[in-house]
Amino acid sequence: DADVTQTPRNRITKTGKRIMLECSQTKGHDRMYWYRQDPGLGLRLIYYSFDVKDINKGEISDGYSVSRQAQAKFSLSLESAIPNQTALYFCATSDFGQGRYNEQFFGPGTRLTVL
Amino acid sequence: EDQVTQSPEALRLQEGESSSLNCSYTVSGLRGLFWYRQDPGKGPEFLFTLYSAGEEKEKERLKATLTKKESFLHITAPKPEDSATYLCAGYSGGYNKLIFGAGTRLAVHP
Repeated sequence: DADVTQTPRNRITKTGKRIMLECSQTKGHDRMYWYRQDPGLGLRLIYYSFDVKDINKGEISDGYSVSRQAQAKFSLSLESAIPNQTALYFCATSDFGQGRYNEQFFGPGTRLTVL
Repeated sequence: EDQVTQSPEALRLQEGESSSLNCSYTVSGLRGLFWYRQDPGKGPEFLFTLYSAGEEKEKERLKATLTKKESFLHITAPKPEDSATYLCAGYSGGYNKLIFGAGTRLAVHP
């Protein structure tokens, strides 16, 4: 079974609709992240959470919100979707071991299209 | 401003033709330089972490190196299955986040 799962894998929605993307992990990591990926651009951080009570904005948080329901679950919401939010969305997890910033493990992605 | 720049954007190689991918970075308080491989329609897959200048790591046909300004991913005698997009990212201790480059799309032809 995959360590980081995302649902749905594909979603087509209309402008103005509310949509939620979900992420679950079985790695036991405290840190979770949401990124979006657009063609020709690197992955950009939307929100991140270092534990259940800690939520932080990334570089492109406008138009998005998140919820950390448990250590293993981190959801991303688009309150009112717009076409320029069409992108590939990734969830990632990491731990912080031995005082080092360790690698992030990514889910398979959600392809979101906003018409 | 923190920035990671990868070159070239795309690279086409013949099977067995060795080459290098470049990752230049200006990241405040760099706490690690990461390399990932991404196949089409999939999430990035971790390859290497480098923490200090002079460090090198190897995995099969890949070797990553780090200096104070850039990192290289050397590919020796590549095979078609090495075709993918390779992403470089620097962890900013100042901002607690990974700064990603746009990636290099590698195509290895038989």
